[in-house]
Amino acid sequence: NAGVTQTPKFQVLKTGQSMTLQCAQDMNHNSMYWYRQDPGMGLRLIYYSASEGTTDKGEVPNGYNVSRLNKREFSLRLESAAPSQTSVYFCASTIPGLARADTQYFGPGTRLTVL
Amino acid sequence: AQSVAQPEDQVNVAEGNPLTVKCTYSVSGNPYLFWYVQYPNRGLQFLLKYITGDNLVKGSYGFEAEFNKSQTSFHLKKPSALVSDSALYFCAVRDIGNNQGGKLIFGQGTELSVKP
Repeated sequence: NAGVTQTPKFQVLKTGQSMTLQCAQDMNHNSMYWYRQDPGMGLRLIYYSASEGTTDKGEVPNGYNVSRLNKREFSLRLESAAPSQTSVYFCASTIPGLARADTQYFGPGTRLTVL
Repeated sequence: AQSVAQPEDQVNVAEGNPLTVKCTYSVSGNPYLFWYVQYPNRGLQFLLKYITGDNLVKGSYGFEAEFNKSQTSFHLKKPSALVSDSALYFCAVRDIGNNQGGKLIFGQGTELSVKP
């Protein structure tokens, strides 16, 4: 089991460029999440997908879009990157059928710099 | 609205001493509380959780946490700190209400530094 995998690990973009962050999990989890981590801010939820075919906005969705491609994969897209989107991005997923447990499993992160 | 607070940005402890990382919460209804740890350049790892039952919860790597409903706290503890415990620790609470997706709300994190 690879768990939650993310690609790429590092990325540098220029303002206005676009890119897609990829996330995949092999644990048969229903729910998947995208967070950003900034110093002193903890983790903030960008978007989540409760189940295949559904996506919802989190706390900081502006400037991002997501796609739940199938049960395994959940991608995050920056259409026009801005310096304020410089951050570390984490994908996570949750054990299915235990809605009240909600133990989330995290990927290793993508460190994104927007110049 | 649900929230969680970690009042200390940094905690410094000598190796072998007990450690406490503080967390307080604000929720309506019964809270579901979590602790995660993040080592440098890594993702978050689950340590322990409180859902219901015994107020003292035991988790990975010798950590435990005490749920205190009257003080709305969920402090993380370890009887004897190791240098390898040095990391960033996050407290989280399950976001209740219309939450079919099991969303968590995270605190801002506490940097634990254990010196030899």
